[in-house]
Amino acid sequence: DAKTTQPPSMDCAEGRAANLPCNHSTISGNEYVYWYRQIHSQGPQYIIHGLKNNETNEMASLIITEDRKSSTLILPHATLRDTAVYYCIHAGNNRKLIWGLGTSLAVNP
Amino acid sequence: DAGVIQSPRHEVTEMGQEVTLRCKPISGHNSLFWYRQTMMRGLELLIYFNNNVPIDDSGMPEDRFSAKMPNASFSTLKIQPSEPRDSAVYFCASSLVGGNTQYFGPGTRLTVL
Repeated sequence: DAKTTQPPSMDCAEGRAANLPCNHSTISGNEYVYWYRQIHSQGPQYIIHGLKNNETNEMASLIITEDRKSSTLILPHATLRDTAVYYCIHAGNNRKLIWGLGTSLAVNP
Repeated sequence: DAGVIQSPRHEVTEMGQEVTLRCKPISGHNSLFWYRQTMMRGLELLIYFNNNVPIDDSGMPEDRFSAKMPNASFSTLKIQPSEPRDSAVYFCASSLVGGNTQYFGPGTRLTVL
């Protein structure tokens, strides 16, 4: 099974950047890194994914280390609505996603 | 655009009853996934379909669970007979075939008494 390691919880002040780390040392060459989040009582929501280059979209930035064994999801200006559980997953195309426990991010006013 | 639609949103039933959960994927998506989420076990993939064909059902807990996808716009997950340990939130998700960008529905919260 494809496993990632994330801290169980983090805090962030509203308006500051939230940097969520993830270790995926078993990632193989054709696997992408995916980030999803789950706000309380809702279904998971796709955020961003990448292979080896850094990626940015309207929600977040993804920084992947050169050896691809770890990555960081950056929420540049966290708001209270970003309070959620964040999941980091690595998988190849057409392979099922293995969900860990994620990081519970609390954004505080 | 309509997202993934699930019904019912909440279901309370008694042990031994049949439960049917329904899902309508996003139009144009060819893959459909059924997940179960509990506090103890987190988010677990039960089964997924590509182009209406079941590909991997290794996550289905036992024969009491069955899933069908009769066409590209509809899928059901059935539990018969239901047991209290089946209480969970059941999510349906869809994606394009070969992609892992999955779009989730709002879930069905099932309580079996």
